[in-house]
Amino acid sequence: EDQVTQSPEALRLQEGESSSLNCSYTVSGLRGLFWYRQDPGKGPEFLFTLYSAGEEKEKERLKATLTKKESFLHITAPKPEDSATYLCAVQANSGTYKYIFGTGTRLKVLA
Amino acid sequence: KAGVTQTPRYLIKTRGQQVTLSCSPISGHRSVSWYQQTPGQGLQFLFEYFSETQRNKGNFPGRFSGRQFSNSRSEMNVSTLELGDSALYLCASKRTGDDGYGYTFGSGTRLTVV
Repeated sequence: EDQVTQSPEALRLQEGESSSLNCSYTVSGLRGLFWYRQDPGKGPEFLFTLYSAGEEKEKERLKATLTKKESFLHITAPKPEDSATYLCAVQANSGTYKYIFGTGTRLKVLA
Repeated sequence: KAGVTQTPRYLIKTRGQQVTLSCSPISGHRSVSWYQQTPGQGLQFLFEYFSETQRNKGNFPGRFSGRQFSNSRSEMNVSTLELGDSALYLCASKRTGDDGYGYTFGSGTRLTVV
């Protein structure tokens, strides 16, 4: 069964304290792995798509990497405005095009 | 460029009633998906529509239904509401659905069933 697991569930960082969020997945053929950011009361905002192992994408203080079993979202020198829930999703190559979301990591960056 | 628009933003309904939620995708996007988000379950896939056809369906009871119109706007309907249907309902759109790109989400409709 296709599955996505994110860890940790919650993370508190001091401003400037770098860390990584993990997304482990089991899927029958990966079409794409997606990272989203969700602020309270809003819908998820698309950040990155990764398609194959070894691929990396960067945006400001965020860098996403992908292996055959997991993805990491590295946050370098975070700021309070990076506080949000980060969601990971995978799309399988099974022909149904369904996206499977993890339950997210709630990140709080303290000033 | 207008984003994905969902109406209404908030809704309070009584158990046993039915409700219809609306979603207007980004212009040119033909794939519309619906998700239910709750604190305990995260984002759960409801269904996906592409060119007025339901292409995919999640594991929800038949009380949950949807449709898509020729202009790609979509509606979802929940009949015989239960307390457990209280959630944030999110609509997301993309050009084709099978292109491997990320979705653009709306801000959601917050449904409370009392």
